[in-house]
Amino acid sequence: DAKTTQPPSMDCAEGRAANLPCNHSTISGNEYVYWYRQIHSQGPQYIIHGLKNNETNEMASLIITEDRKSSTLILPHATLRDTAVYYCIVNNAGNMLTFGGGTRLMVKP
Amino acid sequence: GAVVSQHPSRVICKSGTSVKIECRSLDFQATTMFWYRQFPKKSLMLMATSNEGSKATYEQGVEKDKFLINHASLTLSTLTVTSAHPEDSSFYICSAIGTLGQETQYFGPGTRLLVL
Repeated sequence: DAKTTQPPSMDCAEGRAANLPCNHSTISGNEYVYWYRQIHSQGPQYIIHGLKNNETNEMASLIITEDRKSSTLILPHATLRDTAVYYCIVNNAGNMLTFGGGTRLMVKP
Repeated sequence: GAVVSQHPSRVICKSGTSVKIECRSLDFQATTMFWYRQFPKKSLMLMATSNEGSKATYEQGVEKDKFLINHASLTLSTLTVTSAHPEDSSFYICSAIGTLGQETQYFGPGTRLLVL
């Protein structure tokens, strides 16, 4: 079973920030938080991951709460091409990933 | 990020035939590759874990004699669907992890299989 809880769907206006929440209250100390997204009929695309500290790359920012029980993926300026299913996964590095239902993000013009 | 390719991207075959799907890590060596399948509007489900030079580890409910996995080199893993049936029609996706125990898995673009 997936160890994360995500809202099934979200809408975001084009050009605005998209904030995707994820609860992972049973995360253990050596598990990372990973975010992937899957655009229709494509393989999952890696976005970002973190352990304790907040992380930022060219695609997104990851905010992890101090107790590590939840996190938020931030797409700072959402575009129509960001419409996808976003998966939050907690995992030890190197292990297989267990996918939950994810959040279907719809970016609207 | 690292690049993982799959071939073919889509295949149509007759019931009873076998289909081979290749998964390659193009710019890194992968000690471990994973095979997933995905049905329409469903999430990815792990089928098996493939380690270079050893037998694959299959998830419960996945028939190892039907889904043959070979990981003969550090850049190539193959999945062969033997005696395919219409219910095997699905989207098959592989992922790979680098030899240095890297933290990130990279996924291939997927192979869509349709069995008639």
